[in-house]
Formats: sequence, structure tokens, C-alpha cells
Amino acid sequence: TQLLEQSPQFLSIQEGENLTVYCNSSSVFSSLQWYRQEPGEGPVLLVTVVTGGEVKKLKRLTFQFGDARKDSSLHITAAQPGDTGLYLCALQTFSGNTPLVFGKGTRLSVIA
Amino acid sequence: GAGVSQTPSNKVTEKGKYVELRCDPISGHTALYWYRQSLGQGPEFLIYFQGTGAADDSGLPNDRFFAVRPEGSVSTLKIQRTERGDSAVYLCASSRQGASDTQYFGPGTRLTVL
Repeated sequence: TQLLEQSPQFLSIQEGENLTVYCNSSSVFSSLQWYRQEPGEGPVLLVTVVTGGEVKKLKRLTFQFGDARKDSSLHITAAQPGDTGLYLCALQTFSGNTPLVFGKGTRLSVIA
Repeated sequence: GAGVSQTPSNKVTEKGKYVELRCDPISGHTALYWYRQSLGQGPEFLIYFQGTGAADDSGLPNDRFFAVRPEGSVSTLKIQRTERGDSAVYLCASSRQGASDTQYFGPGTRLTVL
């Protein structure tokens, strides 16, 4: 059973376009993290969202945590080729000491 | 500062052989994690160390997989009698104290079993 569903699986857009990717779970979770992974590298943490309804911004990236703490979205404004990569969401359950559970990711390609 | 390092970066082996993958965590980090990432998938948890002991090994797929961290720093993931299905990128991560702290990932070891 896939605990986290990410959509879309693949996304190819032109430089300057906006996009949103989604992360959904059937379970409530204590916190959710977004990572970006480039080829040949490990995932790098972008943000952690903890509070239902929380919105965090990181330059052109906006992260939102759903009110019910079961879903999250990542919106990128005016995408750049440097945004290309695999975007992963990961959750921790309420026990706090469990390792991360990752979704399959959204593979984003931004074409100049 | 130095991040998490993993060696080798690539490993090609034949079916049935034994392999060891090494992880050097960030200095002072007490928690260390191993994940496996297959093609088109997100990382999948294998094992978590707190100091020298395995706090959670529930992700190890079977008894061919074993990991150690004898001095609470470097860790080695050992795979016996490798199978083609073991081919994947093996990622290591470390965090300052526990699983609720930020995890920093290494670049991974790409294992190919022929």
C-alpha cells in the first residue's frame, strides 16, 4: 500500500511557466517534508511543514500543508531550468522516532 | 563542512557475490539511516542506527541484508548472495540526534548486479 501519492509523476514545462505538484495521503501525519533530488545526488531538504494550513515560501517555491494534515502542495512560480529535478515528499508519523516514508516523486523538467 | 560521504560511488557485481557499501556520516551525528532507491521510486527505508545499535531494522528486505556501525560513526551495509533485484541506489543519511532531526543524505552508491 502506497502511503504517499505524488502527482503528476512527470512534468515537462517551458521556462517561465508556473506549476503545482501534489502529495496526498489517506492517513494524517505529524509533519511533511519536501526534498529535491538531482541526478547522482541524494535528496536535499527544502522545507518541513508541521501545522495544518501552514504556508511556507522559499524564493519562487510555495509549500502548503492541507488543513486536515493529509495533503500538501508545492507551487513553483516562473520555473527556471535550475528547478529541474525529482521532487519528493516524505512524512513522519506521530510516533516521532520513525524514519521517513517517501513518495515516488514528481520528475520535473524545465526547458529553456 | 564535510557532508555525508559514501563509497564506492558505483559497484558492479555478479549475481551471488557479496558486497559491502560504506557510509561516513557528518561528524558528531549520532543517527544514521540506510535507504534504497530503485529506478522510478522514492527512497525506501532499510535500517536506522542510534549510536552503535540498530534502533529500527524493519526495512531490511530479508536476511541477506545486514548493517553494522561498530563505533557509532562509519556504517557498512552488507549484502550476501546478491540478486539482480538488489540493483538500486543505496543512500545513507545522518542526523544530529534522532529521527525527528533533519536528515542529510549522501550521494549514494549505485549497485548493479549482473
